[in-house]
Amino acid sequence: RKEVEQDPGPFNVPEGATVAFNCTYSNSASQSFFWYRQDCRKEPKLLMSVYSSGNEDGRFTAQLNRASQYISLLIRDSKLSDSATYLCVVNSRWNQGGKLIFGQGTELSVKP
Amino acid sequence: NAGVTQTPKFRVLKTGQSMTLLCAQDMNHEYMYWYRQDPGMGLRLIHYSVGEGTTAKGEVPDGYNVSRLKKQNFLLGLESAAPSQTSVYFCASSYPSLRDRDPRSGQYFGPGTRLTVT
Repeated sequence: RKEVEQDPGPFNVPEGATVAFNCTYSNSASQSFFWYRQDCRKEPKLLMSVYSSGNEDGRFTAQLNRASQYISLLIRDSKLSDSATYLCVVNSRWNQGGKLIFGQGTELSVKP
Repeated sequence: NAGVTQTPKFRVLKTGQSMTLLCAQDMNHEYMYWYRQDPGMGLRLIHYSVGEGTTAKGEVPDGYNVSRLKKQNFLLGLESAAPSQTSVYFCASSYPSLRDRDPRSGQYFGPGTRLTVT
């Protein structure tokens, strides 16, 4: 079983739609969680951290369920510019180099 | 600030050749990392460093060596390139703390090096 699993997609949605990505992780000792965005042939960029109480940044909302070892990302009012691959990222040992484990990513395509 | 930079951006090697990829960061980050990204595999950690003069193995270290002689630089070496090392290589850096709600959390990536080994 992979340490971080995501639905690979692709998710094809119209502009203005709400889309949700899910992610599960296997290590219950995981300490910190992130969503990254990666555009085609570019480097991953940090989108947002995921906090235990959930957090929101504009149209983006991230949720964490430690009991179920489940992370989600909700994008409201999708824009064409949201088209990218979204990577779920988990860190299990923050005090030993901050090694991050990346999911394979979920591809999103927002159409006009 | 330039952030994280990588050189070269592209390279084609023949099997058995050697090369060094250079990563530089100007954010005074303690930690630095080398990843490779292959289709269907996601990002995989090759080696990392928690400070100047220290390095450690990641998930896929075989066939690679690294050095961190200066805090701002992290070098990745391929001593004898193989076709299986054809990939996109990303360098990243971060602050030590990745605690919950630490505003400095997260790794910052360079633009990548596309390496083809024939």
